[in-house]
Amino acid sequence: AQKVTQAQTEISVVEKEDVTLDCVYETRDTTYYLFWYKQPPSGELVFLIRRNSFDEQNEISGRYSWNFQKSTSSFNFTITASQVVDSAVYFCALPVWNRDDKIIFGKGTRLHILP
Amino acid sequence: ETGVTQSPTHLIKTRGQQVTLRCSSQSGHNTVSWYQQALGQGPQFIFQYYREEENGRGNFPPRFSGLQFPNYSSELNVNALELDDSALYLCASSPGSPATSNYGYTFGSGTRLTVV
Repeated sequence: AQKVTQAQTEISVVEKEDVTLDCVYETRDTTYYLFWYKQPPSGELVFLIRRNSFDEQNEISGRYSWNFQKSTSSFNFTITASQVVDSAVYFCALPVWNRDDKIIFGKGTRLHILP
Repeated sequence: ETGVTQSPTHLIKTRGQQVTLRCSSQSGHNTVSWYQQALGQGPQFIFQYYREEENGRGNFPPRFSGLQFPNYSSELNVNALELDDSALYLCASSPGSPATSNYGYTFGSGTRLTVV
């Protein structure tokens, strides 16, 4: 099965706190990619990062960091020193291109950053 | 470089009616995909068009249909609207296919359809 699970439906933190969004995935593919998207209230999906399955090196980009662990099928996303502008819905996603060229999304985590 | 443009932004229709949603892809992109996002859910793949041909379809009934034009813009048509069709419909374009692995998508802001 190809599936993405985001167990956290909604998270609220106070500005400047760190926050981690969890993602667990299932795939039958041996080589695959994983994405994180951000969806602000305006509706468009903003691409944040793409990681491939053969590169488990974790990455930091400014206030964002990603922890990819193939052994536990997890791809977690951390925002350090959160800001009010980070408030949005965040989606973890698994692209599938074997038959259909599509992305399988999790249900999303709504993140509230409180001033 | 313009992004993906969708129209209209909001739409209210009555059950049983038909609706057409439009999408202008990003300049240079020849692949367009459509997704349905129900309230509180992640987007679900409807179908993809590549060089004016349907190039994959999700689990949606035939009353969901589409077109892609020579300029790579696209339409999503939904016939016999049902209340459950109420959702945000997102269009995404890509410079090639497969879009997901090699190029990624650029998403539009969506059309919010309400069926009453």
